[in-house]
Amino acid sequence: EIVLTQSPGTLSLSPGERATLSCRASQSISNNYLAWYQQKPGQAPRFLIYGVSSRATGIPDRFSGSGSGTDFTLTISRLEPEDFAVYYCQQYGNSPPYTFGQGTKLEIK
Amino acid sequence: EVQLVESGGDLVKPGGSLRLSCAASGITFTSVWLSWVRQAPGKGLEWVARIKSKADGGTIDYVEPVKGRFTVSRDDSKNTLYLQMNSLKTEDTAVYYCTTGGSAFNIWGHGTMVTVSS
Repeated sequence: EIVLTQSPGTLSLSPGERATLSCRASQSISNNYLAWYQQKPGQAPRFLIYGVSSRATGIPDRFSGSGSGTDFTLTISRLEPEDFAVYYCQQYGNSPPYTFGQGTKLEIK
Repeated sequence: EVQLVESGGDLVKPGGSLRLSCAASGITFTSVWLSWVRQAPGKGLEWVARIKSKADGGTIDYVEPVKGRFTVSRDDSKNTLYLQMNSLKTEDTAVYYCTTGGSAFNIWGHGTMVTVSS
């Protein structure tokens, strides 16, 4: 089973700033099968990024993903008030189980 | 508009059973792979089970802690996904989400709460 470790646990930033969230895998993720999700309190997760860097339908271009192998990054170029939430990375390599990171909480400074 | 609506969550005693349902609309149900993902209170996300479309073999996979206790199924005539949960444990307490996608999860329902407690 691939373990995903996200850092930092909490990130405190102000609107307009750039956010960089990290996700590290315990082994290389095949075919770049790495996704990101956003979750706000009391809501279901929202699909943001798949295949490391492809944005899901309707996701603004201030969200971008990068990385390869075992190290991946979600970048939010200019934070909007609605971007403050918890973010999860998830790997969906060759076969189950599909695992999530423990999450990074992005909070307003 | 694609919509997934879960139901069936409840308070149940350890060792008990529960069946969750997920009704889908706005999608070609027969062709989609579907998954259940859960989230314990205050915790992160955990993939639970996946069922492929019948055209892709209908293969089912489970996360290790639920193998032998949970059964996922689909009724394509009713556009509905199910999760039969038996021998429930306190650690199964969570919000259970139905999602489209067998590996990356693009559409999510609002979730249904399952509480296992004596």
